[in-house]
Amino acid sequence: NAGVTQTPKFRVLKTGQSMTLLCAQDMNHEYMYWYRQDPGMGLRLIHYSVGEGTTAKGEVPDGYNVSRLKKQNFLLGLESAAPSQTSVYFCASIRDDYQETQYFGPGTRLLVL
Amino acid sequence: ILNVEQSPQSLHVQEGDSTNFTCSFPSSNFYALHWYRWETAKSPEALFVMTLNGDEKKKGRISATLNTKEGYSYLYIKGSQPEDSATYLCAFAPYSGGGADGLTFGKGTHLIIQP
Repeated sequence: NAGVTQTPKFRVLKTGQSMTLLCAQDMNHEYMYWYRQDPGMGLRLIHYSVGEGTTAKGEVPDGYNVSRLKKQNFLLGLESAAPSQTSVYFCASIRDDYQETQYFGPGTRLLVL
Repeated sequence: ILNVEQSPQSLHVQEGDSTNFTCSFPSSNFYALHWYRWETAKSPEALFVMTLNGDEKKKGRISATLNTKEGYSYLYIKGSQPEDSATYLCAFAPYSGGGADGLTFGKGTHLIIQP
């Protein structure tokens, strides 16, 4: 049982390049989330999904797209990376109710030059 | 945007001392309050999920209380040890058709235990 995993762990992009971050969970969780963590800002929600085939915007969705084609995977895409997207990205999942425990992945560190 | 505030921002405590810090959240529409422990270069680790007014939860030397009517939760650490050094996050979930809109996080209390 690996829990929540994220790929890649670290990436450097040039401005304008695109990339996809993969989050996978093996706990059969319905809800999945993408957060970004920036100094002094705490964790901020980018996008989330409450089930396969569904996605919704969080607090800071601009510049990102997401897809949840399979229940266990939640993809975060950057179509045209900007230096402001330099951050640490965390994926998280929860079974199906916020009165249960949320589990985080190990994070992806992204540097956009 | 929901307002979740944690105080203090940072805290230096001598090894062996006890300490506590606060999380404030909206007092209306409460659904759940989460506490996490976050060590540098790692991911946040869940400590407690609190759901009922008056809840008190304990895990080893760490405990938490909840007051949903006034919108605050306290986290207590008894007999601090160097391994308790971390950032402690709280996160609020409002009731929203099942509470599926994600958690709103505070900015954390950065705790440093000095030997």
